[in-house]
Amino acid sequence: DIQLTQSPPSLSASVGDRVTITCRASQSIGTSLNWYQQKPGRAPKLLIYAASSLQSGVPSRFSGSGSGTDFTLTISSLQPEDFATYYCQQSYNAPPTYSTPPYTFGQGTKLEIK
Amino acid sequence: QVQLVQSGAEVKKPGASVMLSCKASGYTFTGYYIHWVRQAPGQGLEWMGIFNPSGGKTTYAKKLQGRLTMTGDRSTTTVYMELSSLTYEDTAVYYCAREGAIAVAGNIRTYFDYWGQGTVVAVSS
Repeated sequence: DIQLTQSPPSLSASVGDRVTITCRASQSIGTSLNWYQQKPGRAPKLLIYAASSLQSGVPSRFSGSGSGTDFTLTISSLQPEDFATYYCQQSYNAPPTYSTPPYTFGQGTKLEIK
Repeated sequence: QVQLVQSGAEVKKPGASVMLSCKASGYTFTGYYIHWVRQAPGQGLEWMGIFNPSGGKTTYAKKLQGRLTMTGDRSTTTVYMELSSLTYEDTAVYYCAREGAIAVAGNIRTYFDYWGQGTVVAVSS
């Protein structure tokens, strides 16, 4: 199975800060990497897909980069509504074969207000 | 607009089974795979399985094979997830999610673009 390791596990930052979260895959996955935001009691929300493509409706302060095994999610200027937990997800074994498991998630990064 | 609406909370005893539903609307039901993902209290996200509403094909996580069954009803655009032989470790919020896809440089990249609101399943004696 492809393992994803996120760092840091938690992060304290202030409104207006630039924040970077990293996700490392246990093997090369090309650009098959997505990022989600989850707030308490809510379902995850897609932010970035295919490593660097911004999902429709997501503010441009969010950006993603990377390929192979190392990926980053950057928030250029933190807003109050950005304090949440962020997850990366790999989809390398999804189409066309859907080898199980086709998707795995990182363990999450909790972004808290300093 | 695309919506996935899940059934309500469940409380089950160890050894019992639970069946959850996920009703899809706002798009062509047979055009998109549906996944189930669960999240134990205070924990991360765990992929459980995938259901193809077009042909009914399924793929399940290895640790859940033998206990997990996904089915669908095209007439009501609803996907069902049944988990049997419940243990305390199955206590979690269960989500259904739609798989979106896009071609990038000749390769298909997939992601979960719409999610249900989640269903709490509590296993308690």
